[in-house]
Amino acid sequence: GAGVSQSPRYKVAKRGQDVALRCDPISGHVSLFWYQQALGQGPEFLTYFQNEAQLDKSGLPSDRFFAERPEGSVSTLKIQRTQQEDSAVYLCASSLSRDRAGYTFGSGTRLTVV
Amino acid sequence: GENVEQHPSTLSVQEGDSAVIKCTYSDSASNYFPWYKQELGKRPQLIIDIRSNVGEKKDQRIAVTLNKTAKHFSLHITETQPEDSAVYFCAASLNGQNFVFGPGTRLSVLP
Repeated sequence: GAGVSQSPRYKVAKRGQDVALRCDPISGHVSLFWYQQALGQGPEFLTYFQNEAQLDKSGLPSDRFFAERPEGSVSTLKIQRTQQEDSAVYLCASSLSRDRAGYTFGSGTRLTVV
Repeated sequence: GENVEQHPSTLSVQEGDSAVIKCTYSDSASNYFPWYKQELGKRPQLIIDIRSNVGEKKDQRIAVTLNKTAKHFSLHITETQPEDSAVYFCAASLNGQNFVFGPGTRLSVLP
């Protein structure tokens, strides 16, 4: 596709429910990033993949958060036992190479935990 | 770790005037500084970036300046238009990898 695609666009989850958020990066993009953006805040780094390798997961807030990119393309961010504080927009971004700057963001998934 | 501050948090200007947003960073190793524009409910979009080996970069009405010694960089928008209204985020990174974003500036251009 022409851009980074994320699904679902909106997700409402009951507290305690597990959710899975999908990211389809731009074809051929090696690097993939997940960010969390709370209302009125800047995006905060969660994790980074280069191809299928998860090189940095230092931003994941707890062990309830898990991300994977098994074939080096599509990535899934999974949140187990969701809590209200998990409510945010989850942004995915991809870039052509490790050192390529200015990566492209997807439109995000707005997660609301009720 | 890196910490990025951004000022002001809100900015209102008259159409045609200039707008300036300033950011500071803490990690002297950071060498790449992008600026993103985010309209309500939409994705952040890169509008301009600068690397640490350059002091200034310009693209039409938008310019960015970088002072490595003082560890601050600024976004300048000239001849502002209503469509420039959005939230602007600065960020700092090492080699274009994980970005640390500032808290954002809400710019309103008044007709």
